Amino acid sequence: AQSVTQLDSHVSVSEGTPVLLRCNYSSSYSPSLFWYVQHPNKGLQLLLKYTSAATLVKGINGFEAEFKKSETSFHLTKPSAHMSDAAEYFCVVSDPWSGNTPLVFGKGTRLSVIA
Amino acid sequence: DGGITQSPKYLFRKEGQNVTLSCEQNLNHDAMYWYRQDPGQGLRLIYYSQIVNDFQKGDIAEGYSVSREKKESFPLTVTSAQKNPTAFYLCASRIKMGVGEKLFFGSGTQLSVL
Repeated sequence: AQSVTQLDSHVSVSEGTPVLLRCNYSSSYSPSLFWYVQHPNKGLQLLLKYTSAATLVKGINGFEAEFKKSETSFHLTKPSAHMSDAAEYFCVVSDPWSGNTPLVFGKGTRLSVIA
Repeated sequence: DGGITQSPKYLFRKEGQNVTLSCEQNLNHDAMYWYRQDPGQGLRLIYYSQIVNDFQKGDIAEGYSVSREKKESFPLTVTSAQKNPTAFYLCASRIKMGVGEKLFFGSGTQLSVL
């Protein structure tokens, strides 16, 4: 069975400093991995996705994530936080080859950015 | 443009009432999902459907029902048996394309109890 663990429920950074949101996954096959962002009272917006191509994935708004199979991790990073990055972030794992396993979400990490 | 449409954006339910949340997609996706979001608990799977006329319970299906009579539509009914329905509900769809897998989300419905 697939599972996702977001290691921090809340991360707080100062504006202009790096962001690191941690995600570990468990999957018995080569998964697809996604990071989504959710601003208050909004739906989910895709930041980036990994689907067995390049292990370093670049997304929107300066975010990127690196797939590390040996560590079963897919951490999200950004070199310099902006106030507009304050939101909830979700790591999602999916099996791209099977229709029998639904999407699995992490519990989310709330990012706060301090001026 | 293709996408997923959830309606209404806000919905209020009276005690003992059933309400239905709409989810429509014009992406020709096979799989559709309903998730419930509560503060601090992330997204929990209610029901999902891989093909028309077939659906499976997720982790928190009690008090909910769904149908999948058409590929485009996957409505969710919150029944009176659901004692704590106040939450944000998200619908998603997915197409299986291997490395080209795509996921789409609706903009959500906020359900509150009067």
